[in-house]
Amino acid sequence: AQSVTQLDSHVSVSEGTPVLLRCNYSSSYSPSLFWYVQHPNKGLQLLLKYTSAATLVKGINGFEAEFKKSETSFHLTKPSAHMSDAAEYFCVVTRRNNAGNMLTFGGGTRLMVKP
Amino acid sequence: EAGVVQSPRYKIIEKKQPVAFWCNPISGHNTLYWYRQNLGQGPELLIRYENEEAVDDSQLPKDRFSAERLKGVDSTLKIQPAELGDSAVYLCASSPNAGQASAGEQFFGPGTRLTVL
Repeated sequence: AQSVTQLDSHVSVSEGTPVLLRCNYSSSYSPSLFWYVQHPNKGLQLLLKYTSAATLVKGINGFEAEFKKSETSFHLTKPSAHMSDAAEYFCVVTRRNNAGNMLTFGGGTRLMVKP
Repeated sequence: EAGVVQSPRYKIIEKKQPVAFWCNPISGHNTLYWYRQNLGQGPELLIRYENEEAVDDSQLPKDRFSAERLKGVDSTLKIQPAELGDSAVYLCASSPNAGQASAGEQFFGPGTRLTVL
């Protein structure tokens, strides 16, 4: 069994300030973890993924996330928000090294960026 | 390389009418998924195909929903008859086989937004 909790449904930041989107997971297996972004009327796009290598994962557009097994967390961060970062973000867990396995999505966090 | 293609992008129907959604996955991806995303929520899996075989359809409401992937490439998801609660975005995704680059990653289409009146 696996589940994902995104602790904030909405996050609002000013442009140029840091972004923190929180995610906690639960999994009976060794997990793979992903962050996806969804812009309005667009498909889900993979930001980054953790499989089994380095616990600090760097993704596209300056985002990164750190896998912390002791805290069962995979928070997403970015040092400086840009207006184009405004979107819905989903934390996702699946069973590691199992191609085609079911993804379990969190409820999503809507990021708003103020000028 | 083309991504996952879905059509139509938007569909508005009256309740009790049938509706169908089409998906063409990325070339060479044998695994295909259909998800439903309700407003303000994350996507939930409806059905997963490995080639033409539905290997996980436990979340598919079989009384009104059906899906097919006859030749193991493109797929159709159907609802008949549609109910008000079916209003959602229906997402299709595909993933490479185990052992291929990006195995385990799912690539999503733009979705079909269904509104049932």
